[in-house]
Amino acid sequence: AQKITQTQPGMFVQEKEAVTLDCTYDTSDPSYGLFWYKQPSSGEMIFLIYQGSYDQQNATEGRYSLNFQKARKSANLVISASQLGDSAMYFCAMREGNGNYQLIWGAGTKLIIKP
Amino acid sequence: DAMVIQNPRYQVTQFGKPVTLSCSQTLNHNVMYWYQQKSSQAPKLLFHYYDKDFNNEADTPDNFQSRRPNTSFCFLDIRSPGLGDAAMYLCATSKGTPDRETQYFGPGTRLLVL
Repeated sequence: AQKITQTQPGMFVQEKEAVTLDCTYDTSDPSYGLFWYKQPSSGEMIFLIYQGSYDQQNATEGRYSLNFQKARKSANLVISASQLGDSAMYFCAMREGNGNYQLIWGAGTKLIIKP
Repeated sequence: DAMVIQNPRYQVTQFGKPVTLSCSQTLNHNVMYWYQQKSSQAPKLLFHYYDKDFNNEADTPDNFQSRRPNTSFCFLDIRSPGLGDAAMYLCATSKGTPDRETQYFGPGTRLLVL
């Protein structure tokens, strides 16, 4: 079974609109962390935002926020007021447990912002 | 600025000719990782070092080796590159603390095998 599922292979969004990228996860470990990364066409993997399983509040970083619904096992990334520079591949990833350095990656969502 | 640096950004090699990719970091992180990423796919972890302790993923081919001579540097050696090894190679680092272990990536090296 897929541990990280990103159901949107590609999305087109109008500039300045908000966009939600979906991510669902599957783990039986009570301690885990969820990450979102952005990968532009240049190839660099850029860390955006982190949510820990015990965090009480949804994570926010500037225009990025994470809609964390623990019971539903979802960790959707919300980008407010999208910009042309947001066009990129977006990956959701999970780390299970403590002291575990391996990330489990989703297949990614290709986001294209239209002017 | 503290960062992860990879050289070269683009590497062209011939089939079967050994190649070395390098990664350095100024973050003073304990853990360094090497990933292989093929087009339109998620990165695949090849191995990682916690300090000098080497951890190889079970499905990493023997053709791939790594060295970490000190905290700052890590190398990926491909002993006999095949056409299937053409990919983006990403180096990443993390602090090595049990909580909130975020990986920070370098710009990557695109490897082309002729």
